[in-house]
Amino acid sequence: QSVLTQPPSASGTPGQRVTISCSGSTSNIGSNAVNWYQQLPGTAPKLLIYTNNQRPSGVPDRFSGSKSGTSASLAISGLQSEDEADYSCATWDDRLNGVVFGGGTKLTVL
Amino acid sequence: QVQLQESGPGLVKASQTLSLTCTVSGGSISSGGYYWSWIRQHPGKGLEWIGYIYNSGSTYYNPSLKSRVTISEDTSKNQFSLKLNSVTAADTAVYYCARDRGPSWFDPWGQGTLVTVSS
Repeated sequence: QSVLTQPPSASGTPGQRVTISCSGSTSNIGSNAVNWYQQLPGTAPKLLIYTNNQRPSGVPDRFSGSKSGTSASLAISGLQSEDEADYSCATWDDRLNGVVFGGGTKLTVL
Repeated sequence: QVQLQESGPGLVKASQTLSLTCTVSGGSISSGGYYWSWIRQHPGKGLEWIGYIYNSGSTYYNPSLKSRVTISEDTSKNQFSLKLNSVTAADTAVYYCARDRGPSWFDPWGQGTLVTVSS
């Protein structure tokens, strides 16, 4: 059971906008920045969003992140088939004194 | 461009010690400001942070694994290593090394290496 809660699955059709939520508590998301990772099938995770809403160079602006209170969200607009992947959120937990991850959300492009 | 590459045995017997090394190229692990990390992913599951080494040898571990984990570095080889002792089948996972800009800002990652614990 992961400290951060994500829906196990999400789906959308090409061109649609989808959002993936990441729910935590005051000791983690409520106090620290959230980062998001994309993991394509059979590959290592890749940084997608850092510090809540910043995109590393090379990440399309179709991907955006936000945080409010003890929850964070990843939004993908103009969905493309190559976006089919697992998406995970991560942050520091002040109570557990460590990095915590969400369980991951498998995004299917229909 | 910094790149990381894990290496080590893909099969470990139960009760023994899992040992992995991460070789860093394109940058020095001695440069400040980064936390050199280990993360694992059980088959079909989410990611689990194991711990990191930083500041020329300081370490910080996941409390749930702390009693069995040691992370060390060899700056002459630009490598850092993971040792996990008394392994069981529950330690079967893909193990990744990554650079953390702190905290939980992991970039880049190694390709990962599958370690299977056999009985």
